Amino acid sequence: QQQVKQSPQSLIVQKGGIPIINCAYENTAFDYFPWYQQFPGKGPALLIAIRPDVSEKKEGRFTISFNKSAKQFSLHIMDSQPGDSATYFCAASRAASGSRLTFGEGTQLTVNP
Amino acid sequence: GAGVSQSPSNKVTEKGKDVELRCDPISGHTALYWYRQSLGQGLEFLIYFQGNSAPDKSGLPSDRFSAERTGGSVSTLTIQRTQQEDSAVYLCASSFREQGPLEQYFGPGTRLTVT
Repeated sequence: QQQVKQSPQSLIVQKGGIPIINCAYENTAFDYFPWYQQFPGKGPALLIAIRPDVSEKKEGRFTISFNKSAKQFSLHIMDSQPGDSATYFCAASRAASGSRLTFGEGTQLTVNP
Repeated sequence: GAGVSQSPSNKVTEKGKDVELRCDPISGHTALYWYRQSLGQGLEFLIYFQGNSAPDKSGLPSDRFSAERTGGSVSTLTIQRTQQEDSAVYLCASSFREQGPLEQYFGPGTRLTVT
């Protein structure tokens, strides 16, 4: 199975809140899990990525938590700001297959002032 | 240097016409990918190039779709006899595989509308 399931579809938080977006995958051969941020009219921009040999990775206000046994990973945005309002996509890939990305369905995040 | 560029940014065409979409990857990036983003379909993989060869074409939805890459750089995605269901944003991404991760950097996309 190549699917990546993402939830929720949409999320509204207040400034300073910590939105959490979850993804689950089925293919245990996946070995790279990036998150992309997309603003309207723009291409997706790589935000942060994790490999399955670590359980957590932080970059600035963004944190990925990874649970290999549950085949789940999540994105946390600390101290969220209105400028974080965008669509977020999780993805997964296998290096051996040319690294094609399989994307989740996307989460539209709105951070209210 | 510059990021991934795509042209045109918008294309409106009549059903049945052929279209060509262009992608200029980041200089030095050996891998190039095409994806399609449609409402209700999310982002779906179309084709992957390593250099000028395409080891994975499995995402191309029909034989009306083809792509080529020349000189290990520019790529063109061609859609023949366009249909309304081809309307979508076509995204190109590139990566420098020799550097290990699989980080793909996307262009701004070409919005295709088939009337």
